[in-house]
Order: sequence, then C-alpha cells, then structure tokens
Amino acid sequence: GENVEQHPSTLSVQEGDSAVIKCTYSDSASNYFPWYKQELGKGPQLIIDIRSNVGEKKDQRIAVTLNKTAKHFSLHITETQPEDSAVYFCAASIQAYQLIWGAGTKLIIKP
Amino acid sequence: DTAVSQTPKYLVTQMGNDKSIKCEQNLGHDTMYWYKQDSKKFLKIMFSYNNKELIINETVPNRFSPKSPDKAHLNLHINSLELGDSAVYFCASSQGVGETQYFGPGTRLLVL
Repeated sequence: GENVEQHPSTLSVQEGDSAVIKCTYSDSASNYFPWYKQELGKGPQLIIDIRSNVGEKKDQRIAVTLNKTAKHFSLHITETQPEDSAVYFCAASIQAYQLIWGAGTKLIIKP
Repeated sequence: DTAVSQTPKYLVTQMGNDKSIKCEQNLGHDTMYWYKQDSKKFLKIMFSYNNKELIINETVPNRFSPKSPDKAHLNLHINSLELGDSAVYFCASSQGVGETQYFGPGTRLLVL
C-alpha cells in the first residue's frame, strides 16, 4: 500500500527566512497531494494542494512542487512570519481512495 | 456557521467508563472520518463512512464503534475506556473519498 514519509520532524527558521518541508510517497499511482496546517488547539486545515498533472503551484508566500519521477513533493514557505508556526502535514491519495498522511513537521519561527 | 462541529470539546472520564463523541457537518459532503491524534501529533485514521456506509475500518479495538445515522452525522462510541485512549479525536468530512478533508475542532479525551 501507499506510504508517505515526511521530513524533517522539526524545523526551526529565523523570521523572514524560507522553510522547506519534503515528503516522499511510494505508490506511483498517487495523483493528489494536499498540505495541511494545524495550529495549536485546532484541527488541520488545507493550505495548498497539487494534482499530478501539475509540477508547481503557488499561493502568495506558499508553494508546492511535485517531482513525479522521484515521487516526492515539497512545501515552500517564503518570508516566514510568526503566524506560520504550526504543525504541517503532507498527504497523498490515489483517486477515489483514502488519503495517506505524513507524520507531520513542527515549524518554529524564531523572532 | 461551523462547517464541521464536534461535541464535547473536552472529555475527562474514568477508566472503564463508556463515552460518546458526536460529529456533524453542514457541508453536504458524502464522506466522513474519525482520526486519533496522539501526543506526538501523528494523525491515525480510524474509520471512514461514505453515504452512511463504512468503507475504512483500520486496526482499531472493537471497543470503538462508529455510527452514522445520516450523511451529516458520524458519532463515535467508546466502551470500557482505557488510559491509552487518551488523545485528541478529530472528525472530518470530504466531498468524496480521497478529496480535500475539512476537520472539526477536535475532542480532547483524558482517561484517568
């Protein structure tokens, strides 16, 4: 079955710097890759997603890149701000089947 | 309007008790889920229902029993609570299986 590995488990960056979180997946049939942000005391919330027919997608300071050959996808956050501090989850799914989740990355933004 | 709501938000109970957590979504979605999140923040899928039918039932003790009275509701009943059941339980919904999931605020369960 599908397996999703996420790295690093903790990432600490200086405010204003960029942060990159990487995920790899095992099933080449996976075609949907969302990223979720979980703030303290809240449920995860979708921040960006990408489908397998696209290599990159941007939304303001957030971008996701997908390398289907290498079976990995990454979340890029530029000009990090204190409110970016949270736990980030990647996931992957094959159409009409369940999402498989990464283990999460705790992002810490240092002032 | 809250899209996915859960009650209660906090639940403190003794070992051996039976408790229920309720979930409702007003998004018109067909699929609903229960997740368990432990202290290390790992999200573990427990159950998934699509159009009121159970489609995912991961390795979960049979003390946990989900019930879906209609497409908008998915409740979780837990019998004979154990210390290891202490966690945050999230309900979520999506338009279809594998699609974007919308999470509730979570129920923080503490078993003493």
